[in-house]
Amino acid sequence: GIQVEQSPPDLILQEGANSTLRCNFSDSVNNLQWFHQNPWGQLINLFYIPSGTKQNGRLSATTVATERYSLLYISSSQTTDSGVYFCAVERGYQKVTFGIGTKLQVIP
Amino acid sequence: DGGITQSPKYLFRKEGQNVTLSCEQNLNHDAMYWYRQDPGQGLRLIYYSQIVNDFQKGDIAEGYSVSREKKESFPLTVTSAQKNPTAFYLCASSMGVATEAFFGQGTRLTVV
Repeated sequence: GIQVEQSPPDLILQEGANSTLRCNFSDSVNNLQWFHQNPWGQLINLFYIPSGTKQNGRLSATTVATERYSLLYISSSQTTDSGVYFCAVERGYQKVTFGIGTKLQVIP
Repeated sequence: DGGITQSPKYLFRKEGQNVTLSCEQNLNHDAMYWYRQDPGQGLRLIYYSQIVNDFQKGDIAEGYSVSREKKESFPLTVTSAQKNPTAFYLCASSMGVATEAFFGQGTRLTVV
């Protein structure tokens, strides 16, 4: 099956710093989403981005489908950004595969 | 409010007992999914349903069963055959293939 690798696995940032999270996938996909899992376990949709670039406030994402990677940018990080960020890809009919996530801690 | 509701939030059961987790959505989505998450891990697909009265096994279906009698509801039963049932269970729904998926708040199951 398709492999999804996220990097870095762990990240500690000072509040106000910027960061880039990466998601590599091993085969072509027809869907890619980024999620933020908060400390209570809730998965929050960040971006639905099978290709191209999107921005939402301090967050933006870029997917280069031909090169099989996606990037999530977090600017001016805040403590509320802490949690785990997941990349999930869909290949074929509803076979969604998640990466193991990047654990982000933003310290004041 | 539109969304996906999972209940209960926390569930404790004795070993050997079956337990059913509830998932309801009012988003009018055709597709629904169940995932399992273990500590420090990503999500793994248990079962999914594309339409009422139809469902398919995911990657880790052994020891689980589902039903899809109504569009809004997709309950998951964790049976006594599941060897390591303690985990965080997440339900999701989407309009269909290659569309955005939305998740419920999860049920944390502990088997003692």
